[in-house]
Amino acid sequence: AQKVTQAQTEISVVEKEDVTLDCVYETRDTTYYLFWYKQPPSGELVFLIRRNSFDEQNEISGRYSWNFQKSTSSFNFTITASQVVDSAVYFCALSPPFSGASKIIFGSGTRLSIRP
Amino acid sequence: DVKVTQSSRYLVKRTGEKVFLECVQDMDHENMFWYRQDPGLGLRLIYFSYDVKMKEKGDIPEGYSVSREKKERFSLILESASTNQTSMYLCASSFGTPNTGELFFGEGSRLTVL
Repeated sequence: AQKVTQAQTEISVVEKEDVTLDCVYETRDTTYYLFWYKQPPSGELVFLIRRNSFDEQNEISGRYSWNFQKSTSSFNFTITASQVVDSAVYFCALSPPFSGASKIIFGSGTRLSIRP
Repeated sequence: DVKVTQSSRYLVKRTGEKVFLECVQDMDHENMFWYRQDPGLGLRLIYFSYDVKMKEKGDIPEGYSVSREKKERFSLILESASTNQTSMYLCASSFGTPNTGELFFGEGSRLTVL
């Protein structure tokens, strides 16, 4: 069975702190995709990143970075120097290969609050 | 800019009422989806469609139906609303080809059934 676990239900940090959102997944597939989505207060989920299971290189995009470790089945997301605009619910997701969006499995989400 | 538009942000309905949730996308996407979002449960797929007049059940289709008469429009129907269908409903769309798995979401429709 496929599963995505985001153990942190809520996180609250002060602005400019670094924060890491954890994501652990379970799958029997040898190839798969992993995703992170952001849901700001407006409600619209926004795609942040997709990672192919073949590619274990870490990714950095501005203040955002992602650490993919197959050995621990984790795909963690770090925000450096957090800002109030980063406040949102963040979802990690897993998709089996070649099945497209219809088989995406979402974690339960982590609500991140950045205090001024 | 890509856009998925859901017709109503907030609805309040009574038990037994028929409810229509409309979703329109302007990206010429083949695939469209309806999700339900509940606290602690993440997003759960209700139905999806990969073409006009085509539909497939997701993980929780019971109590729902869908309609896709035009490529850009995907409707979710609650034939007889019940209180346990109080939730946030999210519409999404994606390309059929290339099939990247990336979803584009609307802002959601928060439904309260009294």
